Amino acid sequence: AQSVAQPEDQVNVAEGNPLTVKCTYSVSGNPYLFWYVQYPNRGLQFLLKYITGDNLVKGSYGFEAEFNKSQTSFHLKKPSALVSDSALYFCAVSVTTDSWGKLQFGAGTQVVVTP
Amino acid sequence: NAGVTQTPKFQVLKTGQSMTLQCAQDMNHNSMYWYRQDPGMGLRLIYYSASEGTTDKGEVPNGYNVSRLNKREFSLRLESAAPSQTSVYFCASRGQGIPGNTIYFGEGSWLTVV
Repeated sequence: AQSVAQPEDQVNVAEGNPLTVKCTYSVSGNPYLFWYVQYPNRGLQFLLKYITGDNLVKGSYGFEAEFNKSQTSFHLKKPSALVSDSALYFCAVSVTTDSWGKLQFGAGTQVVVTP
Repeated sequence: NAGVTQTPKFQVLKTGQSMTLQCAQDMNHNSMYWYRQDPGMGLRLIYYSASEGTTDKGEVPNGYNVSRLNKREFSLRLESAAPSQTSVYFCASRGQGIPGNTIYFGEGSWLTVV
């Protein structure tokens, strides 16, 4: 069975400081990893994904994530946070052997960026 | 460019009532999904449809039924609503049910069962 852990319920950061949101996963097989962001009362928006190749993935709104196979992690990062980055962030995983590509989500991390 | 459209956005039901959440996508996607979101639990898969004419259970299917009406539409029905079904429901779609393809979500339906 596959699972995703987001160890922090909330991350607080000052505007302009680096932002990191942690994600670790457990799968049988090779993972496909995704990050989504959810603004209040809205749906989930796709940020970025790791499929194969370069371990550093760049996505929307200046976000990037690094796939680390040995540590089974896929942390989301942004060099300089904005107040508008305040939202709920979800990490998700699917496995290459799942022919229907179902996503398993983490519990989510609330990011609060203060001015 | 609507993407995935869900209706209604908000609904309050009494215990035992029934209702159907509607979902339509205009991206010509094959696969469609229904998730529910509860605080501290992320999103959990209720049902999915890999292609038109097929549906299958996800992680939390009890109390729900689905219909893949055509390629565009995938509805979720609560036959006898219970307070435990108070949640935010998201419909989603994907071009093909390939693990690496991105899933796109609708804006959500907030359901309260009293």
